[in-house]
Amino acid sequence: AQSVTQLDSQVPVFEEAPVELRCNYSSSVSVYLFWYVQYPNQGLQLLLKYLSGSTLVKGINGFEAEFNKSQTSFHLRKPSVHISDTAEYFCAVTVSGGYNKLIFGAGTRLAVHP
Amino acid sequence: DTAVSQTPKYLVTQMGNDKSIKCEQNLGHDTMYWYKQDSKKFLKIMFSYNNKELIINETVPNRFSPKSPDKAHLNLHINSLELGDSAVYFCASNQGSQVGSGNLGELFFGEGSRLTVL
Repeated sequence: AQSVTQLDSQVPVFEEAPVELRCNYSSSVSVYLFWYVQYPNQGLQLLLKYLSGSTLVKGINGFEAEFNKSQTSFHLRKPSVHISDTAEYFCAVTVSGGYNKLIFGAGTRLAVHP
Repeated sequence: DTAVSQTPKYLVTQMGNDKSIKCEQNLGHDTMYWYKQDSKKFLKIMFSYNNKELIINETVPNRFSPKSPDKAHLNLHINSLELGDSAVYFCASNQGSQVGSGNLGELFFGEGSRLTVL
C-alpha cells in the first residue's frame, strides 16, 4: 500500500520569500506523484505532476517540484511567493493500474504574510 | 460553465436523517469519484465509478450508497446520518480509469458539499 507524509502542517512565510513544502511517500512499486492546491472554500486544483522522465517538474503559478527516488520525496518549491498563494497544498500518490486512486497527504497550510 | 458541479453546497441536518448529494460533470469524462474531507482537511477516497460501473469501493459504512445513472452523474446517498458524517464531500472526475490512459492522474474537483449533522 502507498502512503504520503507531509511533514509540515503549517508553513508561514513572508511575501516574496522562497518556500518549500515537504512531501515524502512510501510505496513498494513505482509511483506517480502530484501536488494539488485548495484555495479557501474551493475544490482542489492540480499544480503539477511527476509521471516519468525529468525529475524536476514545473507547474502552474511558478511552482516546481523535484522527485527524489532515493529519498522518496517530492518537495514543492517556489522562489518567491505572493499573498495569493495562501492556500492548502496536498501531495498525492498513485500507482500504475491503480484506477487513478489518489492517496493524499494530510495537507500543508501555506500562509503568506505581507 | 462549471466543469464539475455539486448540489447542495451546504447541508445541515439532524442525526438519523437520510440525505443525498448530487454531482454532474460536463467534461465528457468516463470516471467519477467521491472523496471525503474531514475537519482536519484529510482527504480520503470513498468510491469511484467508470462508465456507470463501480471500480473503487473503500471501507465505507454501507449507510453510504453511490449511484451513477450515467457517466456524467454520480450521486451519493447517506442513510441514518451520524455526527461523524459531518465533513466536506468532494466529487471529482477524470478521463480514463487507469493511470496510463487518458489524463494521467489529473482529477477535476467540484467545489464540495459541506455536510453538518447535528
